[in-house]
Amino acid sequence: AQTVTQSQPEMSVQEAETVTLSCTYDTSENNYYLFWYKQPPSRQMILVIRQEAYKQQNATENRFSVNFQKAAKSFSLKISDSQLGDTAMYFCAFMKQERKFYFGSGTKLNVKP
Amino acid sequence: DADVTQTPRNRITKTGKRIMLECSQTKGHDRMYWYRQDPGLGLRLIYYSFDVKDINKGEISDGYSVSRQAQAKFSLSLESAIPNQTALYFCATSDRRDRGYWDEQFFGPGTRLTVL
Repeated sequence: AQTVTQSQPEMSVQEAETVTLSCTYDTSENNYYLFWYKQPPSRQMILVIRQEAYKQQNATENRFSVNFQKAAKSFSLKISDSQLGDTAMYFCAFMKQERKFYFGSGTKLNVKP
Repeated sequence: DADVTQTPRNRITKTGKRIMLECSQTKGHDRMYWYRQDPGLGLRLIYYSFDVKDINKGEISDGYSVSRQAQAKFSLSLESAIPNQTALYFCATSDRRDRGYWDEQFFGPGTRLTVL
């Protein structure tokens, strides 16, 4: 079975600072994909960033970057220069070849002015 | 217009009632999914369909059924709703074409269902 664990139910950060959200996963697969989704109060699920397991280079999308440690099965999300609009629930997700997604329980991020 | 739509957006019903949640998409994707979201549990897969004739149970299918009426439509039914089915329900789609890498899921806006 695949499990995704987000150990931080809630976090706060000051505007313009950097914050890191943690995610670990458990799988016996070698090829898979990892994602971070954002869910603002509007409840829409929005893809933030994604990573292929066979790529060693960490993915980056503007202020968002990941630290992917395959051996440790860790996939953390770093948000630089936090903005008020980053306030949301963040979900880590795992997908393997069969295209089924497994989500973590989420981290609620509050960006304070 | 949104690519993945869900109706209704909000629904309050009573225990024992039959409820249908509908999902439509204009993305041309073959794969469609139904999830439920509960506080502290994230999203859990209820059913998924890789094409019109291929429907599969997810982690938590008990108490639910689905119908894939067409490539673009995937409905979720609660035959006899119970209070612990109160949740936020999401429909999602993804592209069947194997491009040799991931295919992200595109989510609808969600349906807030309350069972009294």
